[in-house]
Amino acid sequence: EPEVTQTPSHQVTQMGQEVILRCVPISNHLYFYWYRQILGQKVEFLVSFYNNEISEKSEIFDDQFSVERPDGSNFTLKIRSTKLEDSAMYFCASKVSAENTGELFFGEGSRLTVL
Amino acid sequence: GNSVTQMEGPVTLSEEAFLTINCTYTATGYPSLFWYVQYPGEGLQLLLKATKADDKGSNKGFEATYRKETTSFHLEKGSVQVSDSAVYFCALSENYGQNFVFGPGTRLSVLP
Repeated sequence: EPEVTQTPSHQVTQMGQEVILRCVPISNHLYFYWYRQILGQKVEFLVSFYNNEISEKSEIFDDQFSVERPDGSNFTLKIRSTKLEDSAMYFCASKVSAENTGELFFGEGSRLTVL
Repeated sequence: GNSVTQMEGPVTLSEEAFLTINCTYTATGYPSLFWYVQYPGEGLQLLLKATKADDKGSNKGFEATYRKETTSFHLEKGSVQVSDSAVYFCALSENYGQNFVFGPGTRLSVLP
């Protein structure tokens, strides 16, 4: 069964360092998302991406964050200068079409720990 | 804006007990509704969905019915198992290409 894959599964970094989280969405999917989940808390939307551009972003997704689809398979989330409060599980998700009836397929997540 | 409210728990039940997790939503249009499940240490998996009023989604013994009149999508299971212990998220999707909105999650613990 096709799946969304994420790397790394866990990254520890120092405050102020840049971090790149990588995702490979399901191959025929066109819509890509990043969500985050601070430990034990709700799943928060960060950004959606379609046709090589951001289609929507939340207030959390400030200038420290960026996304990119550098080739035909990878979808990356970059945090330019990490803060302690960026520690969370980051989930990548993809969807085959824009129809609101379609499900989101999630990766296993990348746990980011900022020290 | 759109929002999802669900009982936050934690919910602790004995094996074979009946489960209900309430979910209500606010949406400007006509959303699709979903329940996702997160097992310990894992990502979110779709459990079931319903895309129009009065539809019933079902999977693995879980059911939820899309009630437009009460804007609800309550999750039920007649007899829970220890393996059902997880966090359950109610979610909605509305508008072309827009993001999902998740509820806060309900942690379920089933004791043997």
